Amino acid sequence: KQEVTQIPAALSVPEGENLVLNCSFTDSAIYNLQWFRQDPGKGLTSLLLIQSSQREQTSGRLNASLDKSSGRSTLYIAASQPGDSATYLCAVFTGGGNKLTFGTGTQLKVEL
Amino acid sequence: AAGVIQSPRHLIKEKRETATLKCYPIPRHDTVYWYQQGPGQDPQFLISFYEKMQSDKGSIPDRFSAQQFSDYHSELNMSSLELGDSALYFCATMTGTEAFFGQGTRLTVV
Repeated sequence: KQEVTQIPAALSVPEGENLVLNCSFTDSAIYNLQWFRQDPGKGLTSLLLIQSSQREQTSGRLNASLDKSSGRSTLYIAASQPGDSATYLCAVFTGGGNKLTFGTGTQLKVEL
Repeated sequence: AAGVIQSPRHLIKEKRETATLKCYPIPRHDTVYWYQQGPGQDPQFLISFYEKMQSDKGSIPDRFSAQQFSDYHSELNMSSLELGDSALYFCATMTGTEAFFGQGTRLTVV
């Protein structure tokens, strides 16, 4: 059974800092990994999708890397802003069952 | 661009009542997934459909059922509601292996 863990569970940083969120998964037989953002009580917004054959993806200030063999992914956020405050979830798409398994999330707060 | 549409956005029901949640996928997306997210928890997979057939089942209570219709929209039926069913319910559709989520239905059972 796929298990996805995210570290840290919560993070508070001053505006302008670069930060790294970590995601690890137990079963490396994944099709892809997706990073989502969720504002309190709201839906899930897809940030980045990394296919299993890729090593990283970039979108604006966000960069996600994938090391499939070691079961790890990182989300790098450059020059953080208060508007980045949200919960960040990683999810892996595994062939067995064809479903997304979510991580436990990192709650980020960027302070002025 | 069209997104995944869920209705209603909010729903309040009493214990033991029945609720029906609806999901309208992005056009030409034939796979639908349902997730339940309790307060402070990560989304938990409930059930999925591909081409109107159930493709996988997760931690869905026997009191819940779901189906996908000929126009690919899906409905999640929840009976004998319990207080613990209060959660955000998400529907997602996929193209290839990229998932797109709706804004969710917030169900409150009182």
